[in-house]
Amino acid sequence: DPKIIQKPKYLVAVTGSEKILICEQYLGHNAMYWYRQSAKKPLEFMFSYSYQKLMDNQTASSRFQPQSSKKNHLDLQITALKPDDSATYFCASSQERTGGSQNTLYFGAGTRLSVL
Amino acid sequence: QQKVQQSPESLTVSEGAMASLNCTFSDGTSNNFRWYRQHSAKGLEVLVSIFSDGEKEEGRFTAHLNRANLHVSLHIREPQPSDSAVYLCAVSITGNTGKLIFGLGTTLQVQP
Repeated sequence: DPKIIQKPKYLVAVTGSEKILICEQYLGHNAMYWYRQSAKKPLEFMFSYSYQKLMDNQTASSRFQPQSSKKNHLDLQITALKPDDSATYFCASSQERTGGSQNTLYFGAGTRLSVL
Repeated sequence: QQKVQQSPESLTVSEGAMASLNCTFSDGTSNNFRWYRQHSAKGLEVLVSIFSDGEKEEGRFTAHLNRANLHVSLHIREPQPSDSAVYLCAVSITGNTGKLIFGLGTTLQVQP
């Protein structure tokens, strides 16, 4: 069974609309992340949360807002969607945000977002 | 800023032949390197992590790290068709192991 659940798997949206990507992890981890994978680009770090607090924000646009209602949840709200937002968004988690070499990131299967 | 490049872009090997993938990085102060595998439309699977110069083996996967040469490689012993996937090299930012810098990946095709 997957330990990091992302919903939905596929999402089609209209330009200008708003969507929420869901992520839940059942690994007992304290840190969660969002990464984005756009066509022809490497996986790109977006946000990190530790104990439900935002720790790193690498996203220039305020249209992307992570939301953590529970320790094992980190959703991503995207407003005023643009075609350039089309990408696969991956949620990940690790035991801690910083720390030793054993701090492996585990990834979910991703949500593929298409903005028309 | 850390930059990660992978080569080759794509690689085709026959089943049972060794597959070798390369990754170069720009900042030698990092000490946390991981290889992930991504099957089509699926999440990332961590294969091997290496934190000091030398070799680290996990099953059929072996990573070699040489920080002086800014190079980390992945060798897959006896690859099978099910190993066909995109292989991603990831380097963490020093002091922030949760923030990974990824390469574009190597697409590996293993032919029966």
